Amino acid sequence: SQQGEEDPQALSIQEGENATMNCSYKTSINNLQWYRQNSGRGLVHLILIRSNEREKHSGRLRVTLDTSKKSSSLLITASRAADTASYFCATEKETSGSRLTFGEGTQLTVNP
Amino acid sequence: NAGVTQTPKFQVLKTGQSMTLQCAQDMNHEYMSWYRQDPGMGLRLIHYSVGAGITDQGEVPNGYNVSRSTTEDFPLRLLSAAPSQTSVYFCASSVRRSGRVTDTQYFGPGTRLTVL
Repeated sequence: SQQGEEDPQALSIQEGENATMNCSYKTSINNLQWYRQNSGRGLVHLILIRSNEREKHSGRLRVTLDTSKKSSSLLITASRAADTASYFCATEKETSGSRLTFGEGTQLTVNP
Repeated sequence: NAGVTQTPKFQVLKTGQSMTLQCAQDMNHEYMSWYRQDPGMGLRLIHYSVGAGITDQGEVPNGYNVSRSTTEDFPLRLLSAAPSQTSVYFCASSVRRSGRVTDTQYFGPGTRLTVL
């Protein structure tokens, strides 16, 4: 099964609301990364959080990491229609070295 | 910088044909990788390379070959195309920290492959 699993699979909100997506994983990791993919396009890196970090911010994005629960969350505040995309978490296992494993993603729809 | 480039953007093959998907990066990244993405799913790692002359298998390597003769290029070869290989293929590159940990992945725009 996938190392990283996102929850929920789909999320629909109104502009201005906050969106929270979660990612769970199974084994110890070096880092966890979040990516965005607009329909039909490549993936764009959002944030990388290392295993010794608990929280990171980038603009309207906030990522938390709880290694004891093996989970991460991505919060998008004050969402915009342009945030509509699929969001993926990717983990690098501590033991795998250089092999990222992606989850199946959360499809976020922000309605104007 | 052009970043990561992939060619072609679209390709249609018949079962049994072979072809090479091209990937190049101009950021002097050590690490390069190939993923496939099937509809409604995440990315699955096919092959990766941690430097020129070094390649290794990912989750789904069967039916694909790679080589890394230069830092810049990492072509993916389909040996004998099958309908199950219909997918979108992404190439990515990144630096490696401490010689073993990947960092931010930079993705190419993808190649949409259909095998009839």
